[in-house]
Amino acid sequence: AQSVAQPEDQVNVAEGNPLTVKCTYSVSGNPYLFWYVQYPNRGLQFLLKYITGDNLVKGSYGFEAEFNKSQTSFHLKKPSALVSDSALYFCAVRDAGDYGQNFVFGPGTRLSVLP
Amino acid sequence: ETGVTQTPRHLVMGMTNKKSLKCEQHLGHNAMYWYKQSAKKPLELMFVYSLEERVENNSVPSRFSPECPNSSHLFLHLHTLQPEDSALYLCASSQGAGTSGTQKQFFGPGTRLTVL
Repeated sequence: AQSVAQPEDQVNVAEGNPLTVKCTYSVSGNPYLFWYVQYPNRGLQFLLKYITGDNLVKGSYGFEAEFNKSQTSFHLKKPSALVSDSALYFCAVRDAGDYGQNFVFGPGTRLSVLP
Repeated sequence: ETGVTQTPRHLVMGMTNKKSLKCEQHLGHNAMYWYKQSAKKPLELMFVYSLEERVENNSVPSRFSPECPNSSHLFLHLHTLQPEDSALYLCASSQGAGTSGTQKQFFGPGTRLTVL
């Protein structure tokens, strides 16, 4: 069965600094990996996904993530954080060999960007 | 963000009540999901419907009963809930049935449920 870990409950970063939100995963086959963001009182919004191809994936709002197979990681990054990036971030994984439809989400990391 | 709508947005109910949550997607997707989001816990997948057929049921108590009458609508019927069922219930949809799992999910805003 697949699983996702986000080792940090909270990440604080100053505006203008680079940010990283960590994600590691476990699947028996090849992974499909996703990042979502949730703003207060809203549903989750898709940021980016890795299916195959380049390990560096670019997504919405200037975010990118790097797939590292050897470290089973898919960390979310942004070169310069904005206060408006403050939100809850979820990493999700699906096993490519799983013929069902289930995605497994991590517990979430709360990002606070300080002005 | 009007692709997936959920009603009501807030619901307070007693343990003996019966209520239903509604989700509607306007994206032409063929898969729909119910998730439970509790404070300080990972998002829990409850049910998955693909082409109106339930394909996933993650050991959810029978007091939660899903219904998918067509590919655009998904309901979650609630009956004799417990206070620990208080949470944000999120609906999502995606395009991709069968072996296709590459599609991103689109989420509704959620229903904040409080069980007294």
